[in-house]
Amino acid sequence: GQSLEQPSEVTAVEGAIVQINCTYQTSGFYGLSWYQQHDGGAPTFLSYNALDGLEETGRFSSFLSRSDSYGYLLLQELQMKDSASYFCAVLTDSNYQLIWGAGTKLIIKP
Amino acid sequence: DGGITQSPKYLFRKEGQNVTLSCEQNLNHDAMYWYRQDPGQGLRLIYYSQIVNDFQKGDIAEGYSVSREKKESFPLTVTSAQKNPTAFYLCASSPRESGRIHEQYFGPGTRLTVT
Repeated sequence: GQSLEQPSEVTAVEGAIVQINCTYQTSGFYGLSWYQQHDGGAPTFLSYNALDGLEETGRFSSFLSRSDSYGYLLLQELQMKDSASYFCAVLTDSNYQLIWGAGTKLIIKP
Repeated sequence: DGGITQSPKYLFRKEGQNVTLSCEQNLNHDAMYWYRQDPGQGLRLIYYSQIVNDFQKGDIAEGYSVSREKKESFPLTVTSAQKNPTAFYLCASSPRESGRIHEQYFGPGTRLTVT
């Protein structure tokens, strides 16, 4: 079967750095995406890694290791507005479908 | 402004009734998707369409039907055969060109409650 694992909840302090991990086991792999979803809202695209290494976009960075089937999302200088759920999703070669993890709820404390 | 619209935001139905959820996009995207999200869970794919007049079943298509008669529109019907229809339904679209198909844009969602 296909599966993605990420922690269900992570807590951090405003201004700090937090890392959200994702390990995957899928039948095909093109790349790993990250999405943010605020409570009651729709997911919004954050980043995509097709190759090994770190991609930086402002305060957010995403990392991929294809050999380890592992990636992470790194959020720096945390702000209260970053409180949300974060989903990793693998783009598979099965008609270009995204397979989604269950999401990590990020709780930020002042 | 380009985007995806879903209507209505909240929908209440009695058990045994079919209901159709609307999804319209003006992003000129070829691919469109329907997902279901249950509390505390990730998104599960119901149906997707990569081109007009063509669509494929996702992981949980039983009890649902779709049509794709226009590029802009991808309505989802939740039939009475769907055993647990109460959920948050999300429509998405993405460009088909390689290098961007992973970039899905979502509508605001429809929260369906069936009693």
